[in-house]
Amino acid sequence: AQSVTQPDIHITVSEGASLELRCNYSYGATPYLFWYVQSPGQGLQLLLKYFSGDTLVQGIKGFEAEFKRSQSSFNLRKPSVHWSDAAEYFCAVGPTGGGNKLTFGTGTQLKVEL
Amino acid sequence: KAGVTQTPRYLIKTRGQQVTLSCSPISGHRSVSWYQQTPGQGLQFLFEYFSETQRNKGNFPGRFSGRQFSNSRSEMNVSTLELGDSALYLCASSGGTGNEKLFFGSGTQLSVL
Repeated sequence: AQSVTQPDIHITVSEGASLELRCNYSYGATPYLFWYVQSPGQGLQLLLKYFSGDTLVQGIKGFEAEFKRSQSSFNLRKPSVHWSDAAEYFCAVGPTGGGNKLTFGTGTQLKVEL
Repeated sequence: KAGVTQTPRYLIKTRGQQVTLSCSPISGHRSVSWYQQTPGQGLQFLFEYFSETQRNKGNFPGRFSGRQFSNSRSEMNVSTLELGDSALYLCASSGGTGNEKLFFGSGTQLSVL
Protein backbone atom coordinates (compact mmCIF):
# COMPACT_ATOMS: atom_id res chain seq x y z
CA ALA A 1 0.00 0.00 0.00
CA GLN A 2 1.18 3.47 -0.72
CA SER A 3 2.25 5.70 2.15
CA VAL A 4 3.76 9.11 2.78
CA THR A 5 6.07 10.10 5.62
CA GLN A 6 6.77 13.62 6.74
CA PRO A 7 9.41 13.21 9.45
CA ASP A 8 9.19 16.75 10.81
CA ILE A 9 6.05 17.60 12.77
CA HIS A 10 7.12 21.16 13.53
CA ILE A 11 9.70 23.42 11.92
CA THR A 12 10.62 26.96 12.92
CA VAL A 13 12.56 29.25 10.60
CA SER A 14 13.38 32.93 10.64
CA GLU A 15 11.84 35.17 8.04
CA GLY A 16 14.15 35.41 5.06
CA ALA A 17 15.83 32.08 5.77
CA SER A 18 15.62 29.15 3.41
CA LEU A 19 13.22 26.28 3.99
CA GLU A 20 13.18 22.58 3.21
CA LEU A 21 10.32 20.30 4.21
CA ARG A 22 10.94 16.59 3.87
CA CYS A 23 8.65 14.03 2.32
CA ASN A 24 9.29 10.34 1.67
CA TYR A 25 6.87 8.08 -0.12
CA SER A 26 6.35 4.38 -0.55
CA TYR A 27 4.89 3.44 -3.89
CA GLY A 28 5.30 0.63 -6.40
CA ALA A 29 5.21 2.64 -9.59
CA THR A 30 6.00 6.16 -10.68
CA PRO A 31 3.91 8.20 -8.31
CA TYR A 32 1.84 11.29 -8.67
CA LEU A 33 3.14 13.56 -5.90
CA PHE A 34 1.62 16.70 -4.47
CA TRP A 35 2.32 19.38 -1.91
CA TYR A 36 -0.64 21.17 -0.34
CA VAL A 37 -0.71 23.98 2.21
CA GLN A 38 -3.38 24.63 4.83
CA SER A 39 -3.75 27.92 6.67
CA PRO A 40 -5.67 27.97 9.97
CA GLY A 41 -9.39 27.49 9.50
CA GLN A 42 -9.02 26.96 5.78
CA GLY A 43 -9.08 24.15 3.31
CA LEU A 44 -6.00 22.96 1.46
CA GLN A 45 -4.40 24.73 -1.48
CA LEU A 46 -2.21 23.00 -4.06
CA LEU A 47 1.36 24.31 -4.17
CA LEU A 48 2.73 21.99 -6.84
CA LYS A 49 2.42 18.58 -8.44
CA TYR A 50 4.76 16.06 -10.06
CA PHE A 51 4.24 13.03 -12.24
CA SER A 52 6.91 12.88 -14.87
CA GLY A 53 9.43 14.99 -16.70
CA ASP A 54 11.75 17.45 -15.07
CA THR A 55 12.39 16.34 -11.51
CA LEU A 56 12.49 19.92 -10.25
CA VAL A 57 8.97 21.29 -10.12
CA GLN A 58 8.07 24.92 -9.68
CA GLY A 59 4.94 25.87 -7.81
CA ILE A 60 3.06 28.87 -6.57
CA LYS A 61 4.26 31.35 -3.95
CA GLY A 62 7.92 30.72 -4.83
CA PHE A 63 7.95 27.07 -3.76
CA GLU A 64 9.71 24.28 -5.60
CA ALA A 65 10.12 20.57 -5.01
CA GLU A 66 12.59 17.99 -6.25
CA PHE A 67 11.68 14.39 -7.00
CA LYS A 68 14.45 11.92 -6.21
CA ARG A 69 13.50 8.39 -7.18
CA SER A 70 16.61 6.84 -5.61
CA GLN A 71 15.70 8.32 -2.23
CA SER A 72 11.91 8.04 -2.63
CA SER A 73 11.74 11.68 -1.67
CA PHE A 74 9.87 14.76 -2.79
CA ASN A 75 11.16 17.60 -0.62
CA LEU A 76 9.65 21.06 -0.72
CA ARG A 77 11.93 24.10 -0.73
CA LYS A 78 11.75 27.85 -0.68
CA PRO A 79 14.82 30.11 -0.84
CA SER A 80 13.46 32.88 1.39
CA VAL A 81 10.52 32.39 3.73
CA HIS A 82 7.94 35.10 4.38
CA TRP A 83 5.90 35.43 7.56
CA SER A 84 2.78 34.65 5.53
CA ASP A 85 4.18 31.17 4.78
CA ALA A 86 3.37 30.06 8.32
CA ALA A 87 0.91 27.22 7.84
CA GLU A 88 0.70 23.43 7.76
CA TYR A 89 2.17 21.66 4.76
CA PHE A 90 1.05 18.28 3.50
CA CYS A 91 2.75 15.95 1.07
CA ALA A 92 0.48 13.50 -0.75
CA VAL A 93 0.65 10.68 -3.26
CA GLY A 94 -2.04 9.95 -5.80
CA PRO A 95 -3.47 6.68 -7.08
CA THR A 96 -2.42 4.73 -10.15
CA GLY A 97 -5.88 3.56 -10.99
CA GLY A 98 -7.39 6.91 -11.73
CA GLY A 99 -9.44 9.19 -9.61
CA ASN A 100 -8.43 11.50 -6.80
CA LYS A 101 -7.86 9.21 -3.84
CA LEU A 102 -4.90 10.94 -2.24
CA THR A 103 -2.84 9.52 0.59
CA PHE A 104 -1.56 12.36 2.76
CA GLY A 105 1.37 12.59 5.10
CA THR A 106 0.81 13.73 8.65
CA GLY A 107 1.83 17.28 7.85
CA THR A 108 4.56 19.68 8.92
CA GLN A 109 3.61 22.78 10.89
CA LEU A 110 5.76 25.71 9.85
CA LYS A 111 6.34 28.61 12.21
CA VAL A 112 8.08 31.74 10.95
CA GLU A 113 9.92 33.93 13.41
CA LEU A 114 10.09 37.61 12.60
CA LYS B 1 -15.80 31.96 -10.10
CA ALA B 2 -17.15 30.77 -6.78
CA GLY B 3 -15.07 28.28 -4.84
CA VAL B 4 -16.10 25.07 -3.16
CA THR B 5 -18.85 25.73 -0.64
CA GLN B 6 -19.44 23.50 2.35
CA THR B 7 -22.40 23.81 4.67
CA PRO B 8 -22.80 24.05 7.54
CA ARG B 9 -19.49 25.45 8.76
CA TYR B 10 -19.96 24.12 12.30
CA LEU B 11 -22.14 21.37 13.65
CA ILE B 12 -22.68 19.97 17.12
CA LYS B 13 -24.39 16.61 17.53
CA THR B 14 -24.76 14.00 20.23
CA ARG B 15 -23.79 10.36 20.09
CA GLY B 16 -26.22 8.18 18.21
CA GLN B 17 -27.57 10.96 16.02
CA GLN B 18 -27.01 11.20 12.31
CA VAL B 19 -25.69 14.11 10.30
CA THR B 20 -25.67 15.27 6.69
CA LEU B 21 -22.99 17.54 5.29
CA SER B 22 -23.27 19.35 1.99
CA CYS B 23 -20.71 20.33 -0.64
CA SER B 24 -21.21 22.48 -3.71
CA PRO B 25 -18.31 22.12 -6.13
CA ILE B 26 -16.87 24.69 -8.46
CA SER B 27 -19.08 25.14 -11.48
CA GLY B 28 -18.19 22.63 -14.18
CA HIS B 29 -16.36 20.25 -11.86
CA ARG B 30 -17.63 16.69 -11.97
CA SER B 31 -15.57 15.07 -9.24
CA VAL B 32 -16.16 15.56 -5.54
CA SER B 33 -13.96 13.96 -2.89
CA TRP B 34 -14.43 13.89 0.86
CA TYR B 35 -11.70 13.78 3.50
CA GLN B 36 -11.77 13.53 7.28
CA GLN B 37 -9.16 15.52 9.18
CA THR B 38 -8.38 14.84 12.84
CA PRO B 39 -5.36 15.71 15.00
CA GLY B 40 -4.68 12.04 15.65
CA GLN B 41 -5.24 10.46 12.23
CA GLY B 42 -4.53 13.41 9.96
CA LEU B 43 -6.20 13.59 6.56
CA GLN B 44 -7.98 10.44 5.53
CA PHE B 45 -9.84 9.82 2.30
CA LEU B 46 -13.50 8.94 2.66
CA PHE B 47 -14.84 8.63 -0.88
CA GLU B 48 -14.94 10.23 -4.30
CA TYR B 49 -17.90 10.72 -6.59
CA PHE B 50 -17.70 11.34 -10.31
CA SER B 51 -20.77 11.87 -12.44
CA GLU B 52 -23.05 10.61 -9.66
CA THR B 53 -21.08 7.36 -9.23
CA GLN B 54 -18.76 6.46 -6.40
CA ARG B 55 -15.36 6.09 -8.03
CA ASN B 56 -13.17 5.47 -4.99
CA LYS B 57 -13.77 4.56 -1.39
CA GLY B 58 -11.60 4.79 1.70
CA ASN B 59 -11.46 2.51 4.72
CA PHE B 60 -14.35 3.84 6.75
CA PRO B 61 -17.27 1.91 8.22
CA GLY B 62 -20.60 1.74 6.46
CA ARG B 63 -21.95 4.44 8.76
CA PHE B 64 -20.25 6.86 6.41
CA SER B 65 -22.02 7.26 3.11
CA GLY B 66 -22.31 9.79 0.37
CA ARG B 67 -24.00 10.65 -2.84
CA GLN B 68 -23.73 13.04 -5.73
CA PHE B 69 -26.54 14.73 -7.56
CA SER B 70 -26.88 15.49 -11.24
CA ASN B 71 -25.66 19.06 -10.66
CA SER B 72 -22.48 17.60 -9.07
CA ARG B 73 -23.41 18.76 -5.59
CA SER B 74 -22.57 16.14 -3.02
CA GLU B 75 -23.70 15.15 0.43
CA MET B 76 -22.14 12.87 2.96
CA ASN B 77 -24.03 11.25 5.77
CA VAL B 78 -22.80 9.79 9.01
CA SER B 79 -25.27 7.66 10.93
CA THR B 80 -25.11 6.60 14.57
CA LEU B 81 -22.50 9.18 15.45
CA GLU B 82 -19.63 8.25 17.74
CA LEU B 83 -17.34 10.54 19.73
CA GLY B 84 -14.49 9.61 17.39
CA ASP B 85 -16.36 11.08 14.44
CA SER B 86 -15.54 14.55 15.71
CA ALA B 87 -13.43 16.02 12.95
CA LEU B 88 -13.09 18.57 10.19
CA TYR B 89 -14.71 17.18 7.07
CA LEU B 90 -13.24 18.58 3.89
CA CYS B 91 -14.73 18.43 0.45
CA ALA B 92 -12.68 18.90 -2.71
CA SER B 93 -13.77 19.27 -6.30
CA SER B 94 -11.98 18.84 -9.61
CA GLY B 95 -12.65 18.32 -13.28
CA GLY B 96 -12.54 14.57 -12.91
CA THR B 97 -9.58 13.34 -14.96
CA GLY B 98 -7.84 12.05 -11.84
CA ASN B 99 -4.59 12.95 -10.10
CA GLU B 100 -5.37 16.55 -10.78
CA LYS B 101 -5.48 19.75 -8.77
CA LEU B 102 -8.08 19.52 -6.05
CA PHE B 103 -9.94 22.63 -4.90
CA PHE B 104 -10.85 22.33 -1.25
CA GLY B 105 -13.63 23.94 0.69
CA SER B 106 -13.09 25.35 4.17
CA GLY B 107 -14.69 22.30 5.72
CA THR B 108 -17.42 21.44 8.19
CA GLN B 109 -16.26 21.15 11.78
CA LEU B 110 -18.31 18.39 13.41
CA SER B 111 -18.31 17.99 17.17
CA VAL B 112 -19.95 14.92 18.67
CA LEU B 113 -20.83 15.18 22.36
